[in-house]
Order: sequence, then C-alpha cells, then structure tokens
Amino acid sequence: GAVVSQHPSWVICKSGTSVKIECRSLDFQATTMFWYRQFPKQSLMLMATSNEGSKATYEQGVEKDKFLINHASLTLSTLTVTSAHPEDSSFYICSPYRGVNNEQFFGPGTRLTVL
Amino acid sequence: QQQVKQSPQSLIVQKGGISIINCAYENTAFDYFPWYQQFPGKGPALLIAIRPDVSEKKEGRFTISFNKSAKQFSLHIMDSQPGDSATYFCAARTTDSWGKLQFGAGTQVVVTP
Repeated sequence: GAVVSQHPSWVICKSGTSVKIECRSLDFQATTMFWYRQFPKQSLMLMATSNEGSKATYEQGVEKDKFLINHASLTLSTLTVTSAHPEDSSFYICSPYRGVNNEQFFGPGTRLTVL
Repeated sequence: QQQVKQSPQSLIVQKGGISIINCAYENTAFDYFPWYQQFPGKGPALLIAIRPDVSEKKEGRFTISFNKSAKQFSLHIMDSQPGDSATYFCAARTTDSWGKLQFGAGTQVVVTP
C-alpha cells in the first residue's frame, strides 16, 4: 500500500488558536487530496477535496474560511483549522488519491483537542 | 442520506469463528467497493476491494462476496483472531466521482479469545 504521513499525530490547543496539519504522500504523487473528519464511534465524513494547484471544493456544511486547505504540490497538502473551538475537536484524516481507478489510501490521522 | 448501508453496527465472535459484515447500496453507477479496517486512534487501512465484474475475491482470511443484482456486498473474516478486533467500513465509489468514497456507518468487531 501507499505510504502516507500526517503531522502532528496529535495536538492540543487553546480555543481561538489556529492549527496546521500536514499530509504527505511519500511514495506517489497525489493528483487529488481528500480531507476527512471523524468523530468518536462514527464514520468518516468528507470535508473537502483539493486538486494540486487549485482551490479546494468543500462539502455542504463545512466552512471554507474555517478549514483552509492548501495543496501546493503533488506530495503535500495542509489543513489549517482557524480560530479553533472545542466543537472542532476531532480526528482529521487525509487521503491522497492518484487518479481514476486507483486504490485509495489514508493517512494515520491527527487527533485535535481544543480546550 | 447514507448511500451505503452497513450492518450490523457491532459484532462479537469467538476466536476461530466467521465474522460477516453486510453492505447494501442503491447507486448502480458504483464500480469500486473497498473495505477498510480501522484500529482505535489510527487511520483506515485498505483491506480488500472488488469491482462489480467479479462475484467474489479472496485475500488470505478475508473474502468479499458481491451480488450485483441485489446491490449488496459483504465481508467475511474466516478463522477470526483477537487481532482482527477493529472497526470495519465498507465504501463505494463511481468512476466519475474523482475518487470520492461513500462510506458505510462502520461495524465494530470484537473477537473473544
């Protein structure tokens, strides 16, 4: 399978601060990056889709000004949670995708806790 | 509205037994059906996947059965082991969805010694 890394693996921050999460695909180039959020005991919820060099497309109900996504290269994407609040506490997972008919892999996830 | 319905929500099986998880879908345009295994605090790991031109796929102790006419697919875990205790998600995707997966709600499997 593909090698995907996320950094940090967990982060605790104060309410009102911003947090940046990095996702790297280490052994392939991802034309598309998906960002998911997962609350305890729930399924994965797609937040946004981004293509390298383009603006991200956000799912309904996801605030684009709060969750900033940058997909500057084919191996790196970042998700910045701006002015984080306790309700943003969740498990964030990236999923780089190579393209049509390819398998889809996930990063190890980042646990965000906002106090 | 969940496009992929997964059952059961949870499952307890004895070591050596068979775990069976079922998923159903409505969108006949789905053409890729993966299963993911997720341990607590970890990202989902691709376990096995199938395309609709095949009725069954086996990899080790894991088998996907696919019934295109019934729009159902299932995961069978043979000879279940305590290390298989995890949450399993089925998913589905269309070719023109640019990789966007539709996930089931997940099944928590507990294998008792």
